[in-house]
Amino acid sequence: DSGVTQTPKHLITATGQRVTLRCSPRSGDLSVYWYQQSLDQGLQFLIQYYNGEERAKGNILERFSAQQFPDLHSELNLSSLELGDSALYFCASSVFAGDSMGEQYFGPGTRLTVT
Amino acid sequence: AQKITQTQPGMFVQEKEAVTLDCTYDTSDQSYGLFWYKQPSSGEMIFLIYQGSYDEQNATEGRYSLNFQKARKSANLVISASQLGDSAMYFCAMREGWNNDMRFGAGTRLTVKP
Repeated sequence: DSGVTQTPKHLITATGQRVTLRCSPRSGDLSVYWYQQSLDQGLQFLIQYYNGEERAKGNILERFSAQQFPDLHSELNLSSLELGDSALYFCASSVFAGDSMGEQYFGPGTRLTVT
Repeated sequence: AQKITQTQPGMFVQEKEAVTLDCTYDTSDQSYGLFWYKQPSSGEMIFLIYQGSYDEQNATEGRYSLNFQKARKSANLVISASQLGDSAMYFCAMREGWNNDMRFGAGTRLTVKP
């Protein structure tokens, strides 16, 4: 158990809908990262928050947004869902903001299926 | 361009034997970190081992060791005394300098045979 929690574990929804994925980092970790894992694109970094502020952006679509709250939990919002958004979404956390010495600990993931 | 290359889509190893999973990387930064993660069929990503670019010694964590060859830009994972529970996908990843973007390779699926 990494100490990172994600809810829900599974989510099935229809095209055009909007969903929210939730992540709680390990105790003491200030950074939260979101990743998407799909069969065709592999594991891709979406976005990072550090202590409530957006710190880095990766291949995140404009239809997707995220935020980190004062209690450090984070939410990833996916809107106008398309079939191609079906994927495993991971949240990871680390202590540091950008130190390459800091490993990231991953949550169990949320499997999103868009029908 | 691919930053992390894992050339072995699948590998087989006999139980109790050692296996090496290959990883090469591409960076012009002097400061970077290399990571290996394991993803069993249940889906979670499990951190295994880390190697910093300035570390002179190869990292080891229990049965896992990282064969770091800086000049060749390779960071191979060695698993000794393979166990059936080692069957999983293994991902190599890199973070460059202060960049927060961790890049992952395509992964290698390891199957341990009894």
